[in-house]
Amino acid sequence: QKEVEQNSGPLSVPEGAIASLNCTYSDRGSQSFFWYRQYSGKSPELIMSIYSNGDKEDGRFTAQLNKASQYVSLLIRDSQPSDSATYLCAVNIGRGSTLGRLYFGRGTQLTVWP
Amino acid sequence: GAVVSQHPSRVICKSGTSVKIECRSLDFQATTMFWYRQFPKQSLMLMATSNEGSKATYEQGVEKDKFLINHASLTLSTLTVTSAHPEDSSFYICSARPWETSRDTQYFGPGTRLTVL
Repeated sequence: QKEVEQNSGPLSVPEGAIASLNCTYSDRGSQSFFWYRQYSGKSPELIMSIYSNGDKEDGRFTAQLNKASQYVSLLIRDSQPSDSATYLCAVNIGRGSTLGRLYFGRGTQLTVWP
Repeated sequence: GAVVSQHPSRVICKSGTSVKIECRSLDFQATTMFWYRQFPKQSLMLMATSNEGSKATYEQGVEKDKFLINHASLTLSTLTVTSAHPEDSSFYICSARPWETSRDTQYFGPGTRLTVL
């Protein structure tokens, strides 16, 4: 059973703070990892993808991957009220012709208050 | 950017009817498309992987005879919910992976909200 677990929310931070979102996964063979943001009633939108151990930064977002610990995280710096959404961690479990099969975590609901 | 559309965006039907949902990649060709389902307050669950010109691969627990998937072209995949029942009410989302990429980049459609009365 391939599982993706996210830290339980909801998470509430003040505007300007750092929001930290965590995710663990069970499939050691997974090679690619994603963070999506989902607003209520909408489909997910990709924030970050990460494939190698270490940090990957894109603007206010930093993804961190540790394959040995089977752990991936997302940091949001200078959080804004517009960042308020549910953040989904996704792990690719597909190979070959099924590359792209994603298993999603349950999501962490983030609220950034002014 | 890569755009994926879904039609319809919302559908309400009576129990026992069949509903077809279309997923189109508008500005790229997609060898692989994926179908997900999301129940309220839950995460996305992968239902099936659809490769153009071949049979879909269903995830464990998903009934292939109930959720018919056709991927007849590189830009269109359809999901038909046959004999829909209230428990099939959900948010159905497709995604498409461009053929020219070796990475697992995929783009999501806006979703279709199905309500079965």
